[in-house]
Amino acid sequence: QQQVKQSPQSLIVQKGGISIINCAYENTAFDYFPWYQQFPGKGPALLIAIRPDVSEKKEGRFTISFNKSAKQFSLHIMDSQPGDSATYFCAASLILTGGGNKLTFGTGTQLKVEL
Amino acid sequence: ETGVTQTPRHLVMGMTNKKSLKCEQHLGHNAMYWYKQSAKKPLELMFVYNFKEQTENNSVPSRFSPECPNSSHLFLHLHTLQPEDSALYLCASSHSGTGNEQYFGPGTRLTVT
Repeated sequence: QQQVKQSPQSLIVQKGGISIINCAYENTAFDYFPWYQQFPGKGPALLIAIRPDVSEKKEGRFTISFNKSAKQFSLHIMDSQPGDSATYFCAASLILTGGGNKLTFGTGTQLKVEL
Repeated sequence: ETGVTQTPRHLVMGMTNKKSLKCEQHLGHNAMYWYKQSAKKPLELMFVYNFKEQTENNSVPSRFSPECPNSSHLFLHLHTLQPEDSALYLCASSHSGTGNEQYFGPGTRLTVT
């Protein structure tokens, strides 16, 4: 019940196109859904995040769409650029009783944006 | 130094060695985390500390021993590791509470021979 399923595993998009990555979760206790971007040799960096009481959040070219009833959320990258080529992870968060929060990650999507 | 730093960046150790990974956060956070990132697998949470107290141990084998002397420093002591423990070990920190972003360090690439 802690699993977060992410698709596709890899994605190739033309420059200027829209990249779409999808995630699904089971545990309705998750209360925060971040997306992370990771470049080779670097740690994951927070890209954008949403709470389950919001259906959409947009920051620049990045938008999260959230469907609470379907237990699904997705990342849309508009006007994709070669610099967006990276691995993207969705995650779902649970607060821990003693403090801190527990992130459960998807398996990642390797995005390549071609010229 | 800013953000979350980790040392060493690369480590090769034999199965009988003992080594330690170090993490330091310069963000004023209260919670610190260890994650394991293996190829083709999701990032796996290993341990969580909040105000120096361990709040989560995700069924991690005892050959991994964490230590959190204060809210800014986190160690992972390694002993008698197996080749399958080779992975990228990531440290993260956050403020306590829900919805607080976790900031990751660059990781330590560990190879067990």
